[in-house]
Amino acid sequence: TQLLEQSPQFLSIQEGENLTVYCNSSSVFSSLQWYRQEPGEGPVLLVTVVTGGEVKKLKRLTFQFGDARKDSSLHITAAQPGDTGLYLCAGVRGAQKLVFGQGTRLTINP
Amino acid sequence: DAGVTQSPTHLIKTRGQQVTLRCSPKSGHDTVSWYQQALGQGPQFIFQYYEEEERQRGNFPDRFSGHQFPNYSSELNVNALWLGDSALYLCASRNWADRDGYTFGSGTRLTVV
Repeated sequence: TQLLEQSPQFLSIQEGENLTVYCNSSSVFSSLQWYRQEPGEGPVLLVTVVTGGEVKKLKRLTFQFGDARKDSSLHITAAQPGDTGLYLCAGVRGAQKLVFGQGTRLTINP
Repeated sequence: DAGVTQSPTHLIKTRGQQVTLRCSPKSGHDTVSWYQQALGQGPQFIFQYYEEEERQRGNFPDRFSGHQFPNYSSELNVNALWLGDSALYLCASRNWADRDGYTFGSGTRLTVV
């Protein structure tokens, strides 16, 4: 059973377009993190959201945590080829572990 | 400032063999977690070590075991390897007091043939 469902699983768009990736769960998490992973590398933390309804911006990336702390979204404005990669959301459970979604593989075409 | 270091980077083993993977945490970190990432999937939690003790374990069989040393480095051991154990094994470290400050290594790519 996948506790965190990401959608879409695959997304291929043209440079300059906008996109949104969703991360949904039936469980409440103390916080939620978004990672980006390149081939052959480990995930790199982009942001942590803690408070329900919280919005954080990282340049062209906007992250939102749902009011009930069960879901999150990542919006990218004017996507660039350098945004290509695997985007993972992860719920933080207590102090012990991260629960990851299956990832969204994003390809930005020049 | 070195991040998380994992060794080896790649490994090929035969079914039934045993393997040991190693992880050195980021400087200042005292907690190490291990994750298994199958091809096309998100990482799955194996276990976490703090103060040389296993603090929590994911849904993995007893063939998966680990250890943490006094210098905070850690090993992941897998016995009786199956073909299905082929995956990228990731080590993540953090400071116990900072729940959110995870840093991942680049992983060890294990192939079981």
